[in-house]
Amino acid sequence: GAGVSQTPSNKVTEKGKYVELRCDPISGHTALYWYRQSLGQGPEFLIYFQGTGAADDSGLPNDRFFAVRPEGSVSTLKIQRTERGDSAVYLCASSLGSGGQEEQFFGPGTRLTVL
Amino acid sequence: DQQVKQNSPSLSVQEGRISILNCDYTNSMFDYFLWYKKYPAEGPTFLISISSIKDKNEDGRFTVFLNKSAKHLSLHIVPSQPGDSAVYFCAASPLAQGGSEKLVFGKGTKLTVNP
Repeated sequence: GAGVSQTPSNKVTEKGKYVELRCDPISGHTALYWYRQSLGQGPEFLIYFQGTGAADDSGLPNDRFFAVRPEGSVSTLKIQRTERGDSAVYLCASSLGSGGQEEQFFGPGTRLTVL
Repeated sequence: DQQVKQNSPSLSVQEGRISILNCDYTNSMFDYFLWYKKYPAEGPTFLISISSIKDKNEDGRFTVFLNKSAKHLSLHIVPSQPGDSAVYFCAASPLAQGGSEKLVFGKGTKLTVNP
């Protein structure tokens, strides 16, 4: 079956621009996560959705970052007024639910480069 | 402050020998631990996990050991194979807070298994 997909795979933008990154989770997975992996670091949690609602957005670094999941499936991570420090690989993961010890399946990521 | 630490950025072993990857954590609220494996240009893939009520979990060539008093876990791969060459991430979750929530990752250890 299809895994988690993310588009685009690469995104190059200029400082100050707005970007949207898309995540298609595994069908039937109700939980969805966004992580950010900077060079030489492990993935860092950004936000977690259970269904359509953001259950935990404590990892979003500031108000330039926003994510939505309007129908409980596809999610979009939105970054306004991008900065060079936003350059990283943005990873999306999904899991069956929040029943505990549910494996998170990761997509291949979107590599964002802010010039 | 790193709550999950992988102090060895890299490890090189000979094919057929044992690989031991180490991980330390500082947050006593963590009670579920995972190892993920990552190949270049791919998302992390779940490898093995352990709950804090256990001190060992084995799955084929992979065994994870947990020492709660020392806040230390390790991943043993026996025998190591060239296909095991990848970056290995240790991750932890405060499962007691309810459900499949955010994972806190270490920086990763790059394992190279030489033929």
